[in-house]
Amino acid sequence: NAGVTQTPKFQVLKTGQSMTLQCAQDMNHEYMSWYRQDPGMGLRLIHYSVGAGITDQGEVPNGYNVSRSTTEDFPLRLLSAAPSQTSVYFCASSPGTGRDTQYFGPGTRLTVL
Amino acid sequence: AQKVTQAQTEISVVEKEDVTLDCVYETRDTTYYLFWYKQPPSGELVFLIRRNSFDEQNEISGRYSWNFQKSTSSFNFTITASQVVDSAVYFCALYERGSRLTFGEGTQLTVNP
Repeated sequence: NAGVTQTPKFQVLKTGQSMTLQCAQDMNHEYMSWYRQDPGMGLRLIHYSVGAGITDQGEVPNGYNVSRSTTEDFPLRLLSAAPSQTSVYFCASSPGTGRDTQYFGPGTRLTVL
Repeated sequence: AQKVTQAQTEISVVEKEDVTLDCVYETRDTTYYLFWYKQPPSGELVFLIRRNSFDEQNEISGRYSWNFQKSTSSFNFTITASQVVDSAVYFCALYERGSRLTFGEGTQLTVNP
């Protein structure tokens, strides 16, 4: 049981490049979400999904896309990377809604030059 | 709007001291959930506790205890006889029905030998 996995662990991009952060969970959780962590700002919700085929925006969705074609996977796409997207990204999953305990992946540290 | 305030940005103690991390929240709902997470230097987010708004009983788990007081909208976390391994950033978070999980900015705890 791997829990929540994220790849890559580290990534450096140039401004304007696109990339996909991968997230997978093997706990059959319906709810998955993406957060970014910036110094002094805690974690902020980017996008979330309450089940396969259903996604919605969080607090800071601009510049990011998501899709949920399966229960297990919830990739986060950066369309055109900007230095403001330099951050640590965490994926999380929980059995139900956000009221349930969320289990976090190890994070991806992204630097945009 | 829901909000979580962790006024203590950094706390430094000497090993074996007791330390309390404060968490004050704002919500308009009567049904909500509070969480504490630990982020050690390795970077992962570790779930510590979940509490719903109808359960005001204090919780103790080993050296950890939590004091939930609805009258003051606080959910404080105390570590008794702190250890170096307790050094981490601690986040308090609030979930309100129909909304999203909102994190405080975190408190950096350093326990010195």
